[in-house]
Amino acid sequence: GENVEQHPSTLSVQEGDSAVIKCTYSDSASNYFPWYKQELGKGPQLIIDIRSNVGEKKDQRIAVTLNKTAKHFSLHITETQPEDSAVYFCAALNDYKLSFGAGTTVTVRA
Amino acid sequence: AAGVIQSPRHLIKEKRETATLKCYPIPRHDTVYWYQQGPGQDPQFLISFYEKMQSDKGSIPDRFSAQQFSDYHSELNMSSLELGDSALYFCASSVDRGGGSPLHFGNGTRLTVT
Repeated sequence: GENVEQHPSTLSVQEGDSAVIKCTYSDSASNYFPWYKQELGKGPQLIIDIRSNVGEKKDQRIAVTLNKTAKHFSLHITETQPEDSAVYFCAALNDYKLSFGAGTTVTVRA
Repeated sequence: AAGVIQSPRHLIKEKRETATLKCYPIPRHDTVYWYQQGPGQDPQFLISFYEKMQSDKGSIPDRFSAQQFSDYHSELNMSSLELGDSALYFCASSVDRGGGSPLHFGNGTRLTVT
């Protein structure tokens, strides 16, 4: 099955700085890569996604890049705000199943 | 916009009891997924249904079963509960097994087994 590795496990940034989270996947057949934000007591919320035929996608302060050759993808958050503090999960869809990374706890310091 | 609805939000059961969790997908979504999330862990795939038929199976114990009904809602039935079943259980829905739309998650059911 698919194996997704995510780094770092925790990330503390100053408000206004950028945050970067990196993920690698094992199965080259994976073709869809979403990112989820999870706040305490809530379900994972989709924040951005990218399909395997695209190299980069941006939505306001959030961007995702995908390197199919290296089998890794990254989430970039610019101009971080306190409300960006949460756990972020990367995921990869393979054979109709979504496999998650272990998560990154992001803390934005005011 | 309508989201995935799960009920109940919290459930407390004793060991060896049974529990039923319900999930109402986003309208017009034909695929439902169940995930289990332990404390500090990532969601683990349990089982999915597409057009009311079981689609894929993950790490779901034999004590658990699930089905998707004609109105596309789904229920996860858990029997002979164990302490280790205490977790957050999430339902997600999509179109066409994820090929047609992203997976959207509900806010989960927190199951506590005592």
